[in-house]
Amino acid sequence: LAKTTQPISMDSYEGQEVNITCSHNNIATNDYITWYQQFPSQGPRFIIQGYKTKVTNEVASLFIPADRKSSTLSLPRVSLSDTAVYYCLVGDKGRGSTLGRLYFGRGTQLTVWP
Amino acid sequence: DAGVIQSPRHEVTEMGQEVTLRCKPISGHDYLFWYRQTMMRGLELLIYFNNNVPIDDSGMPEDRFSAKMPNASFSTLKIQPSEPRDSAVYFCATRLEGAGTGELFFGEGSRLTVL
Repeated sequence: LAKTTQPISMDSYEGQEVNITCSHNNIATNDYITWYQQFPSQGPRFIIQGYKTKVTNEVASLFIPADRKSSTLSLPRVSLSDTAVYYCLVGDKGRGSTLGRLYFGRGTQLTVWP
Repeated sequence: DAGVIQSPRHEVTEMGQEVTLRCKPISGHDYLFWYRQTMMRGLELLIYFNNNVPIDDSGMPEDRFSAKMPNASFSTLKIQPSEPRDSAVYFCATRLEGAGTGELFFGEGSRLTVL
């Protein structure tokens, strides 16, 4: 089971870059790394996904080293509205047989201060 | 599309009562998931369906919990009898296999309080 480990909480100030690291030592060859964001009173929403190296979109960047046993979500210049819980998931994005392995857990509570 | 629709958004009930939570998935999505979220345990997968068939219910905590998906546009999660420790936010999520990132689309959740 490709369970993930990430910090319970992080604090930052507006304008800073935030990096949240996730460990996934048992990642399988076909597994992708996906990050979700959850605001209070809402369901999680997808923010970024990657397989290896670096992926960037309008929201964040995802860095994945060659061994893929960890990944880092990078949020540039955070604002108060980035305060949320961030979840790192590992699983095969296409095959239903592995869906049961998707593990959200408690995620990382990021709090951004003014 | 309106997204995943859950009802009720909030429910307060007394211990021993039956609770039914409802979910309308995004049209065309072939997977439906029920999750439970608490402060202590985070977001836990309870059960998921593929094409209306339950695939994995190993996360269902007890026999008091049951879930059904009678058709592609409706699913229910039932708790009978309810207990205070069932108090949590219950989320329904759906996805379309093989489409892009395979992301999960979540509803806004049903907050259950059992007194």
